[in-house]
Amino acid sequence: GAGVSQTPSNKVTEKGKYVELRCDPISGHTALYWYRQSLGQGPEFLIYFQGTGAADDSGLPNDRFFAVRPEGSVSTLKIQRTERGDSAVYLCASSKQAGGANVLTFGAGSRLTVL
Amino acid sequence: KNQVEQSPQSLIILEGKNCTLQCNYTVSPFSNLRWYKQDTGRGPVSLTIMTFSENTKSNGRYTATLDADTKQSSLHITASQLSDSASYICVVSRNNNAGNMLTFGGGTRLMVKP
Repeated sequence: GAGVSQTPSNKVTEKGKYVELRCDPISGHTALYWYRQSLGQGPEFLIYFQGTGAADDSGLPNDRFFAVRPEGSVSTLKIQRTERGDSAVYLCASSKQAGGANVLTFGAGSRLTVL
Repeated sequence: KNQVEQSPQSLIILEGKNCTLQCNYTVSPFSNLRWYKQDTGRGPVSLTIMTFSENTKSNGRYTATLDADTKQSSLHITASQLSDSASYICVVSRNNNAGNMLTFGGGTRLMVKP
């Protein structure tokens, strides 16, 4: 597609529920990144994929968070047993490749609210 | 610890005026520094990127400076427009430029009033 697409744009859920957030990167971009942005803060790195594999998942806060990219394109961020502290905007970004002079293109984000 | 600090946190200026946003960093090793503009409800969009050897880079009315010795950068906006109202985020990249090597500042929230 023309840009990075994220769905849903807004998600309200109850504490303890399971949530999936989807990211559709720019076609041909091999690197895909997930970030979390709390109100008034800069994005914080969660996980990045090079192709289908998670090249670095060191930013995932705990084992309730998991992400997949089975075919090297669309990625899904999965959050189990959501907590109120998970409320944030989850940003996805993609780039042609990891490293080099690449520039990340960000999606508009998925705003998650856990009640 | 790798950190990027931005000031001020927020700023209100009148349309047509100039302003300068500041960024201090302690990220090491340093690869490059980027300024992003983030409109409300949107993802960040890259404005400028500077490597160690570059002191200044312009993009229209936006001019970024970098002092790698003092680890400081600034973003100067000339003749501000209402559409400049956004958050401006300073991002420093460590050695390999991948997205997991980026440290984001908290941003400066700019409001331009008519």
